[in-house]
Amino acid sequence: EVQLVESGGGLVQPGGSLRLSCAASGFTFSSYWMNWVRQAPGKGLEWVANIKQDGSEKNYVDSVKGRFTISRDNAKNSLYLQMNSLRAEDTAVYYCARGFIFDYWGQGTLVTVSS
Amino acid sequence: QTVVTQEPSLTVSPGGTVTLTCASSTGAVTSGHYPNWFQQKPGEAPRALIYSTSNKHSWTPARFSGSLLGGKAALTLSGVQPEDEAEYYCLLYYGGHWVFGGGTKLTVL
Repeated sequence: EVQLVESGGGLVQPGGSLRLSCAASGFTFSSYWMNWVRQAPGKGLEWVANIKQDGSEKNYVDSVKGRFTISRDNAKNSLYLQMNSLRAEDTAVYYCARGFIFDYWGQGTLVTVSS
Repeated sequence: QTVVTQEPSLTVSPGGTVTLTCASSTGAVTSGHYPNWFQQKPGEAPRALIYSTSNKHSWTPARFSGSLLGGKAALTLSGVQPEDEAEYYCLLYYGGHWVFGGGTKLTVL
């Protein structure tokens, strides 16, 4: 059974940092692009970043470029999102999603940026 | 700044048919945008329905279908069920980047 489990969310002050993790199981993690998608409270979905199977290609939405870094550890079947210089508008539930077709999603982890 | 536009809300009667659309600010939506469709109910993670314009996942009910229609991506629900009441999002590919539409709130009434 394919499973994606996010962790690492919480309350952080503006300007702070947080590292999200997504633990994957039930499939060959190293064979798939992986994505981060977020959803602000009461708002729609926003694609945040993706990373190629071997980590050689990474893409970001403009609003997080230079602040967020996506990475992966295929030996640990894990996806990460390092978030620096956090702003109030980064407050959202962050989901990881599998592949080019976004077929499987985690349950999400809530990040709240507030003083 | 690429914008993907969906109808904010639609209402359909049980058993009826409804089509949701997804437009791109850059021009016509094509198969090269690899349109995806997702369903989301309150408090839940999104669920994938359609990928690459018209392909269904193994769990996608037969009443859901995807297509290209008049320069837009489209999601058609035929024989709508009460449990189809949800928010629906499209997702388009722009060469490495993806952009979600704003979502359509579908009410079954």
